[in-house]
Amino acid sequence: SAVISQKPSRDICQRGTSLTIQCQVDSQVTMMFWYRQQPGQSLTLIATANQGSEATYESGFVIDKFPISRPNLTFSTLTVSNMSPEDSSIYLCSVGTLNTIYFGEGSWLTVV
Amino acid sequence: DQQVKQNSPSLSVQEGRISILNCDYTNSMFDYFLWYKKYPAEGPTFLISISSIKDKNEDGRFTVFLNKSAKHLSLHIVPSQPGDSAVYFCAGQEGGSYIPTFGRGTSLIVHP
Repeated sequence: SAVISQKPSRDICQRGTSLTIQCQVDSQVTMMFWYRQQPGQSLTLIATANQGSEATYESGFVIDKFPISRPNLTFSTLTVSNMSPEDSSIYLCSVGTLNTIYFGEGSWLTVV
Repeated sequence: DQQVKQNSPSLSVQEGRISILNCDYTNSMFDYFLWYKKYPAEGPTFLISISSIKDKNEDGRFTVFLNKSAKHLSLHIVPSQPGDSAVYFCAGQEGGSYIPTFGRGTSLIVHP
C-alpha cells in the first residue's frame, strides 16, 4: 500500500477563512480522492482529484467551496473555503486501487 | 438513502471473547465488500475484504462472512483484544469502481 502524508494534521480556523490541506503520496497513483468525516457520520466522498484536469465532485459538493488541485500523480490539495462551524470535520486524502482504497492520517479542522 | 447500514453504533465485548460487527446493504450491484478500522486521530486502515463470489474470508483473528441473499455481512474478531477497540466501517463497492460506499461505523470497545 502507498504511504499517504497529509498536512496539517489538525488546525483551528476562524470562521470565514480558507485552509488548504496537502496530500503527498510516496508513489505515483492514478486515483486520488478526498473524503470528509463529520462527527458521528460516515466517510463521505467529496471529489475525485483528476491529474491535469478539474476534479469530479459528488452531489452536495461544489468547486467554489472545495477547490482541488492535482498537479501530478503524487500530490493533491483540497481547500476548504469560507469556513463555517459546519465545516468542522476530518478531511481525508485517499488513493485507490481496483478493490481497495487507502487513507492518509486525516486533517482535523475545527472552525470557531 | 443509506446503501450501507451499520445499525449498531457501538458494541462492548470482554477481552478474549468474540466480537461480531454487522453490516447490511441495499445495493445489489455491490460485488466487493471491505472493512476498515479507525482509531481516534488517525485515518481509517484497511482490514479485510471479500468478493461477492465468496461467502467467507479469513485473515488471522478476523473473518468476514457474506450472505448475499440476505444482503448482510459480518466481521468476526476472535479472540478480541483491547487493541481492537476502534471504529469499524463496512463498505460496499460496485464492480469496476474505485469508490466504496461506507456505513456510519460501529464503535467497538474491548474491555480487559
